[in-house]
Amino acid sequence: DIQMTQSPSSLSASVGDRVTITCRASQSISTYLNWYQQKPGKAPKVLIYATSSLHSGVPSRFSGGGSGTDFTLTISSLQPEDFATYYCQQNYFTPWTFGQGTKVDIK
Amino acid sequence: QVQLQESGPGLVKPAETLSLNCTVSGGPIIGYYWTWIRQPPGKGLEWIGHVYHSGITDYNPSLKSRVTISTDTSKNLFSLRLSSVTAADTAVYYCARAYDGGDYWGQGTLVTVSS
Repeated sequence: DIQMTQSPSSLSASVGDRVTITCRASQSISTYLNWYQQKPGKAPKVLIYATSSLHSGVPSRFSGGGSGTDFTLTISSLQPEDFATYYCQQNYFTPWTFGQGTKVDIK
Repeated sequence: QVQLQESGPGLVKPAETLSLNCTVSGGPIIGYYWTWIRQPPGKGLEWIGHVYHSGITDYNPSLKSRVTISTDTSKNLFSLRLSSVTAADTAVYYCARAYDGGDYWGQGTLVTVSS
């Protein structure tokens, strides 16, 4: 299985901060990398698919990049509604696998 | 607007079979992959497997011997069966459409394995 490792596991940030979350795959997954946001008690929502494509309706402050094994999710200016847990997921090889999550909370 | 809704028992006894349906409304099952994902309480996400509308499946090897995912195109739904459950299978189970990542998800249903 491909292991997905996110860093950091958690972070504290303020409204307006620029936040970057990193996801590393244990082997190359080309650009088959998705990012999800999950709030407590809710289903995950896709933010970014295929590394850098913004899902419909997702604010442009979210962006993704990378290829191969190293990927990033960046929030350019953190908003109150962005405090949540973020997961990366590879869908290049089955079993599709997720990172362990990065919890973003208020500083 | 596509909507997905999970349904099934919220409590399953150990060694029995967990069965869930995911009813899709607002769009067809045909032409897409459909997936099941679960999340144990307080933990991360685990991909269980997916099915194409034609019935082609792929499963997580960690569950493969116990899991079956199928479609019913006449009812526009797909289903999950997980046999010989243990407490480790207690989780919120989500169904989702596997397009553009996972563009539509159900709200999730908590299944507890307990006697």
